[in-house]
Amino acid sequence: NAGVTQTPKFQVLKTGQSMTLQCAQDMNHEYMSWYRQDPGMGLRLIHYSVGAGITDQGEVPNGYNVSRSTTEDFPLRLLSAAPSQTSVYFCASSRSGDRGLWGLEQYFGPGTRLTVT
Amino acid sequence: TQLLEQSPQFLSIQEGENLTVYCNSSSVFSSLQWYRQEPGEGPVLLVTVVTGGEVKKLKRLTFQFGDARKDSSLHITAAQPGDTGLYLCAGEGQYGGSQGNLIFGKGTKLSVKP
Repeated sequence: NAGVTQTPKFQVLKTGQSMTLQCAQDMNHEYMSWYRQDPGMGLRLIHYSVGAGITDQGEVPNGYNVSRSTTEDFPLRLLSAAPSQTSVYFCASSRSGDRGLWGLEQYFGPGTRLTVT
Repeated sequence: TQLLEQSPQFLSIQEGENLTVYCNSSSVFSSLQWYRQEPGEGPVLLVTVVTGGEVKKLKRLTFQFGDARKDSSLHITAAQPGDTGLYLCAGEGQYGGSQGNLIFGKGTKLSVKP
């Protein structure tokens, strides 16, 4: 299994440009999430999905869109990039089922480092 | 809003020393996890604790979940340079009335010098 894959690994955008960060998992996990990681801020949840066709906002959703048409894929779209969106973005997936046994253990991708100038 | 406070923020020790990292909240969590992250990579899960008072051991690492499920600690015995990294605690929280996401502490950056 490849686990969670993210592309691209690095990206530079100009202010106002749009782009899509790709995320895919091959573990048949129902839960998928997008986080951003900034120095001194830890990981903050952007959007998440509990299954295909279902998405919801996290802590910092403004400026980002998501959709979940398949179990495997969960792309993150930046509508109009701003310098404040310079960050490292992580996608994660989790299995569902009896969380009393394992909680909400998340498997992370390698991240996309985004710079907006 | 549920928050997780981690302490210390930075820790620099010599090889062979013991250390403890704390993760505290005023909120109750249904489960809590510890992750380790190396530079340029995503966090990797170390352990999940789900029962108040639970203690789990992973070689030289000991994890404890508080009785009230509001806090946790990570103790490393005889630290080694390979333990260097960012340690993150994360609790299962709620946004928009739905479960299915984690709240992360800001992390403890550990450096173990040979």
